[in-house]
Amino acid sequence: KQEVTQIPAALSVPEGENLVLNCSFTDSAIYNLQWFRQDPGKGLTSLLLIQSSQREQTSGRLNASLDKSSGRSTLYIAASQPGDSATYLCAVRLSSGTYKYIFGTGTRLKVLA
Amino acid sequence: KAGVTQTPRYLIKTRGQQVTLSCSPISGHRSVSWYQQTPGQGLQFLFEYFSETQRNKGNFPGRFSGRQFSNSRSEMNVSTLELGDSALYLCASSLAFLPTDTQYFGPGTRLTVL
Repeated sequence: KQEVTQIPAALSVPEGENLVLNCSFTDSAIYNLQWFRQDPGKGLTSLLLIQSSQREQTSGRLNASLDKSSGRSTLYIAASQPGDSATYLCAVRLSSGTYKYIFGTGTRLKVLA
Repeated sequence: KAGVTQTPRYLIKTRGQQVTLSCSPISGHRSVSWYQQTPGQGLQFLFEYFSETQRNKGNFPGRFSGRQFSNSRSEMNVSTLELGDSALYLCASSLAFLPTDTQYFGPGTRLTVL
C-alpha cells in the first residue's frame, strides 16, 4: 500500500531564505508526482508535475526533483516571500492500473516578513 | 478559460440528511475526481469519472456516490449524513483519463454536519 509522508509538518522561516520541502513515498511504481499549494480554506493550486521519467521540473523560484528509486521528492523554494506562506502537498499517481492519486499530509509553511 | 467551479461553496446539514454537491470541470476536460479533506485524515480520494463512467473508487462507504453527465459536469451525493462527514470536498478535473494529465482543483465545498 502506497504511503506518502511529508516532513516537516510545519516550517517557519524568515523572508529571503531558500528552503527545501521533503516528500517520501513507499512504492516506486508511480506515473508522476505533483506538488500543490493550498491556501487556508481554499482548493489546491498545481505547482509542478514531474513525470516518472523526469528528474526535475522548474517554474520560477520553484524547483522540484524526483528520485523514484529512493522514493523521494524535494520542492526547493528560492528567496522565500511572505506570499509563499501556505500548505504544500505532494501527491503521487499510482501506476498500478487505477491511476489514483495518493496525497501526503502536507507541510505548513510560514514565511515571516 | 474558467477554472473548476464547485457549488455550493458552503453547506450546513444535520445528521441523517443527504446532500448533493456539484462540480463543473474546465471546458474541454472530461475527467473529474472527487476528494475529501479533513484535518485528521488529510486528502482522501473518493472516486473518478471519465466519459460518464466511474473509473476509480476510493475506500469510502456506499453512502458516498457520484455520477457524471454527458457535458462532463459531475455530482456527488452523500446519504444519511454523519458528523464525521464534515469536511472540505474538492473536485479536480483533467483533460482525459491519462496518468500523465495534470489535475486542476476547484475551490471546494465546505460541508458541516450538525
